[in-house]
Amino acid sequence: GENVEQHPSTLSVQEGDSAVIKCTYSDSASNYFPWYKQELGKRPQLIIDIRSNVGEKKDQRIAVTLNKTAKHFSLHITETQPEDSAVYFCAAGGRYGGSQGNLIFGKGTKLSVKP
Amino acid sequence: NAGVTQTPKFQVLKTGQSMTLQCAQDMNHNSMYWYRQDPGMGLRLIYYSASEGTTDKGEVPNGYNVSRLNKREFSLRLESAAPSQTSVYFCAIATGGNYEQYFGPGTRLTVT
Repeated sequence: GENVEQHPSTLSVQEGDSAVIKCTYSDSASNYFPWYKQELGKRPQLIIDIRSNVGEKKDQRIAVTLNKTAKHFSLHITETQPEDSAVYFCAAGGRYGGSQGNLIFGKGTKLSVKP
Repeated sequence: NAGVTQTPKFQVLKTGQSMTLQCAQDMNHNSMYWYRQDPGMGLRLIYYSASEGTTDKGEVPNGYNVSRLNKREFSLRLESAAPSQTSVYFCAIATGGNYEQYFGPGTRLTVT
């Protein structure tokens, strides 16, 4: 089945710097790649996603890139702010074993933005 | 995400007790999911329901049962709770085939 690896597990940056989180996946059938942000004690919130027919997607300070050949995708946050501090999860979605729409999650990256 | 509710918010059980976690949505989505979240493990799928009347196992189904009561409600039952089931449980919904999943607020369960 699908396996998603996420790196790094922790990331500390200075306010204003950029942050990059990387994920790799194993199943070439995966065609949907969302990113979730989870603040302490809260639910995961979808912040951006990309589908397999697109190589890059931007939304203000965040962007996601996808390399289907290499089976990896990345989250880029520019001009980081203290409120960006959270745990970020990547996921891969597709039709696995006859199901549809299931997501396999990475183990998360704890991002700390220092003022 | 006001459209997904979970009850209870917190629960403490003793080993061997049973309980049901409730999830309800008012967004008319077809697909519903139960995940557990443990430190350092990400989110792992327990069971899912692609539509009313259907349920399927996810990655970690052992020790759990589910019921898709109707389109709105999807419950998760622990028949005989074990300390290994101490976790935060999230319900999620999706339109089905679209993959965008939206999470409920979670239930924090402790089994002693």
